[in-house]
Amino acid sequence: AQKVTQAQTEISVVEKEDVTLDCVYETRDTTYYLFWYKQPPSGELVFLIRRNSFDEQNEISGRYSWNFQKSTSSFNFTITASQVVDSAVYFCALSEPYSGYSTLTFGKGTMLLVSP
Amino acid sequence: DAMVIQNPRYQVTQFGKPVTLSCSQTLNHNVMYWYQQKSSQAPKLLFHYYDKDFNNEADTPDNFQSRRPNTSFCFLDIRSPGLGDAAMYLCATSRETGGLDTQYFGPGTRLTVL
Repeated sequence: AQKVTQAQTEISVVEKEDVTLDCVYETRDTTYYLFWYKQPPSGELVFLIRRNSFDEQNEISGRYSWNFQKSTSSFNFTITASQVVDSAVYFCALSEPYSGYSTLTFGKGTMLLVSP
Repeated sequence: DAMVIQNPRYQVTQFGKPVTLSCSQTLNHNVMYWYQQKSSQAPKLLFHYYDKDFNNEADTPDNFQSRRPNTSFCFLDIRSPGLGDAAMYLCATSRETGGLDTQYFGPGTRLTVL
């Protein structure tokens, strides 16, 4: 079973629209971490945010905001007033440091296309 | 700026001709990772080093090997590249392993196999 599900394969919006990227995860651990990475066409994976399982407070950073809800095992990412430069593939990832897994489990990614 | 550097950014090799990809870091992190990412897929971990301790993922082909001569550098060697090895290769670093810390990625090396 997938541990990190990004059901949206591709989203297309027009500049200035708000857009939410969904991420649903699965774990039996009580301690875990969730991440979002951005991968623009150049290929580099850019770290956006890291959240631990004990901190459900939503976070806002400029036009970016994240909604973490343990009750639904979701960690959704919203971009407000999208811009063309936001066009990229966005990956949600999970780490379970006390389960013997050495690293991150990535979702399959959501490609966001923002047109002018 | 502290960062993860990968060279070259683009590498073209011939079928069966050994190739080496390079990664260096100025973050002084303990852990260095190599990922393979094929088109429209998520990155797939090949192996990682915690300091000098090498950890191979179970499904990483024997064709892929790695060296870490010091804290700053890590190399990915592909002994006999096949057409299926054409991909983006991403290097990442973190202070600690086990998913306890954030991984920071380099810009990647895009490998083409002719």
